[in-house]
Amino acid sequence: DTGVSQDPRHKITKRGQNVTFRCDPISEHNRLYWYRQTLGQGPEFLTYFQNEAQLEKSRLLSDRFSAERPKGSFSTLEIQRTEQGDSAMYLCASSPVYSGQETQYFGPGTRLLVL
Amino acid sequence: AQSVTQPDIHITVSEGASLELRCNYSYGATPYLFWYVQSPGQGLQLLLKYFSGDTLVQGIKGFEAEFKRSQSSFNLRKPSVHWSDAAEYFCAVGGDNNDMRFGAGTRLTVKP
Repeated sequence: DTGVSQDPRHKITKRGQNVTFRCDPISEHNRLYWYRQTLGQGPEFLTYFQNEAQLEKSRLLSDRFSAERPKGSFSTLEIQRTEQGDSAMYLCASSPVYSGQETQYFGPGTRLLVL
Repeated sequence: AQSVTQPDIHITVSEGASLELRCNYSYGATPYLFWYVQSPGQGLQLLLKYFSGDTLVQGIKGFEAEFKRSQSSFNLRKPSVHWSDAAEYFCAVGGDNNDMRFGAGTRLTVKP
């Protein structure tokens, strides 16, 4: 079990640029989640996938944000035309599917700074 | 939708002292409850969880938590704190829709 991995760990970009983050879940986990965490706050849910299907999106996920999980394995989160307010830690988590709520296991996060 | 309140933003305890971090939740049905710990710049590590059964759950690193339905609480406890426990602690509640909500966190400082 190698755990959830995220790449890059840190990203600095200029306002208006596009950025893409990658998440590799634990291999046997069907569900994959994206969260955003700003300083001094808990993680806020953005979206989640079951296999390749995106099943839920938060209102926090504006049209500048898009997430994909094309083969049901790794996922990408893209932010277009970044704004300073997008500066945050972006966390990915994965969980198995048995029934109901399952434990989510988190990656180390990607810290984004928009200048 | 479910929600979580962690009333204490910051707690300081002396090494070796006991610890209790408070968590109150709001959810109409039986909740799924979690405590995670986050060290600076790191992701979240699961300490323990409650799904059903015994209301006193044991976790890693000597932590335990007790689910009290009448008080809508899931407080985290440790009998003797170690300097390495200094971190941010998050309580979370999940529902049948697989949607998890986190509290704002409690930052723990451990005095030598």
